[in-house]
Amino acid sequence: AQKITQTQPGMFVQEKEAVTLDCTYDTSDPSYGLFWYKQPSSGEMIFLIYQGSYDQQNATEGRYSLNFQKARKSANLVISASQLGDSAMYFCAMRVSNTGNQFYFGTGTSLTVIP
Amino acid sequence: DSGVTQTPKHLITATGQRVTLRCSPRSGDLSVYWYQQSLDQGLQFLIQYYNGEERAKGNILERFSAQQFPDLHSELNLSSLELGDSALYFCASSVGTGNNWEKLFFGSGTQLSVL
Repeated sequence: AQKITQTQPGMFVQEKEAVTLDCTYDTSDPSYGLFWYKQPSSGEMIFLIYQGSYDQQNATEGRYSLNFQKARKSANLVISASQLGDSAMYFCAMRVSNTGNQFYFGTGTSLTVIP
Repeated sequence: DSGVTQTPKHLITATGQRVTLRCSPRSGDLSVYWYQQSLDQGLQFLIQYYNGEERAKGNILERFSAQQFPDLHSELNLSSLELGDSALYFCASSVGTGNNWEKLFFGSGTQLSVL
């Protein structure tokens, strides 16, 4: 069965500091994609970053980087130099081709950036 | 702006009623997905259409139905509404059938309140 686990329901970080949001996944398929989405209080879901299971390097997108540890089945999101606008819910998701290409979402982590 | 348009943004209705949610995917995207987000259930996949055909089905109730039209817009019909159907309903689109690398682009959602 495919599963995404986010164990941190809430996180706090000081402005300008870095923060890591944890995500572990479970799949027996060697081919999968991992995604992070941000959901601010306004409600929309915003794509942040993608990592393919065969990618050799960790993905980076501006202040976002994905710490991909395949053996541990973890795909943690690192936000550097946190800003007040980073306060939001963050969802980790996985897509596995042999399961009908469905997206599996974690339960999310609420991040609050403190001035 | 993700390019995915959802209407209406808010919908308030009574139990037993029927509503229709509408979604226009990003230009060029052939797949449309519907998700339900509630506080206790998280993000639940309902259904996916690809180029007019149903592609995958998730936890969609029999009271709910969807379709994708030739112009690729999609509608989600919710009938015999119950209080528990109150949730944020997202539409998302992607370019193809759902390869591992295809990210989902989400609309801003329809907040449904059943009173």
